[in-house]
Amino acid sequence: AQTVTQSQPEMSVQEAETVTLSCTYDTSESDYYLFWYKQPPSRQMILVIRQEAYKQQNATENRFSVNFQKAAKSFSLKISDSQLGDAAMYFCAYRSASSLNRDDKIIFGKGTRLHILP
Amino acid sequence: KAGVTQTPRYLIKTRGQQVTLSCSPISGHRSVSWYQQTPGQGLQFLFEYFSETQRNKGNFPGRFSGRQFSNSRSEMNVSTLELGDSALYLCASSSGRRNQEKLFFGSGTQLSVL
Repeated sequence: AQTVTQSQPEMSVQEAETVTLSCTYDTSESDYYLFWYKQPPSRQMILVIRQEAYKQQNATENRFSVNFQKAAKSFSLKISDSQLGDAAMYFCAYRSASSLNRDDKIIFGKGTRLHILP
Repeated sequence: KAGVTQTPRYLIKTRGQQVTLSCSPISGHRSVSWYQQTPGQGLQFLFEYFSETQRNKGNFPGRFSGRQFSNSRSEMNVSTLELGDSALYLCASSSGRRNQEKLFFGSGTQLSVL
């Protein structure tokens, strides 16, 4: 079974600085999708960024980028120029790409709470 | 477009009772999935419905059940509530056609079991 591990329960970063959130996963599949979701105090989860495993190029969305290391099964999120609005819980998630996978469901890590220090 | 709507936002129940939570997806979305979020276990997948059929199920006891209606609205039911069922229950919707598509989440129902 696939697993997703976020080893940092909490992190803090100074406003305008850069921070990296770690995520590792375990799977025997070769084709899958990885996601980072953000959950602000409003509780509504929002997709931050998405990576397709067959793409070697790391995904980027404005100030958010990932470092995807397929062989190491690592998927870290880098937030540049941190802003107060980035304070939230961040969840790393995995989903199989196979439509034949009967156990096809999204699997989340336990999350990293990010604090932004003014 | 209206977002995903979950009702109620807060709920307090006592052990042994049963509860029904509701989720209205984004218009046009046919997939609704449910998740339980607790501080200890994080976010855990409960089940997914697509076009009124349960497409996938997580590892939860049979006390947790759900259904989806023809308008894609979904309900989740928990019978014989236990203290450990206290959690934030989130639902998410999507078109359900591709695994890489993003999920749109509601703001959740915070359930407290006393």
